[in-house]
Amino acid sequence: DAKTTQPPSMDCAEGRAANLPCNHSTISGNEYVYWYRQIHSQGPQYIIHGLKNNETNEMASLIITEDRKSSTLILPHATLRDTAVYYCIVDPGGFKTIFGAGTRLFVKA
Amino acid sequence: ETGVTQSPTHLIKTRGQQVTLRCSSQSGHNTVSWYQQALGQGPQFIFQYYREEENGRGNFPPRFSGLQFPNYSSELNVNALELDDSALYLCASSFWTSGDDIQYFGAGTRLSVL
Repeated sequence: DAKTTQPPSMDCAEGRAANLPCNHSTISGNEYVYWYRQIHSQGPQYIIHGLKNNETNEMASLIITEDRKSSTLILPHATLRDTAVYYCIVDPGGFKTIFGAGTRLFVKA
Repeated sequence: ETGVTQSPTHLIKTRGQQVTLRCSSQSGHNTVSWYQQALGQGPQFIFQYYREEENGRGNFPPRFSGLQFPNYSSELNVNALELDDSALYLCASSFWTSGDDIQYFGAGTRLSVL
């Protein structure tokens, strides 16, 4: 079973920030929080990951709560091309990775 | 582009047949994982190979088997195909360390079993 809980779907207006939540209340100390996304019929694409601290890269920001039981992926200026399924995963590092159903993000013009 | 290539892109087989799917890892990567993704679901972990040895397996029967070659390319073999094996098969390569490995996925092979 997946170790994370995500809303099944979300909408976002183009140009606005998309904030995707994830609960991982049973996360272990050595597990990282990873985010991947999958655009229709393509392979999943890595977005960002973190252990304790907030992280930012050219694609997104990752905010992890202090108790590490939840996190939020932020796409600062969503575009139509960001419409995809977003997977939040907790994992010690790419081993026996368990994907849940993810959040289907619809970015609307 | 992730540098991970899979072949073929599409495949149609009949029940009971055998199939081999291929994956070429990103240069420098020593680990490959295979996933099965049924329509509308997230990918399910099948197994992982590290330096040519199986390094972990998900809840899949023995008729799912694999190989990793010295150049770190990989194969997924499925014997005695069943209708439920129809899915998108994904491979992901990574460079295994003791920490935060990032997996790079190929575009997948879509297998249809009739």
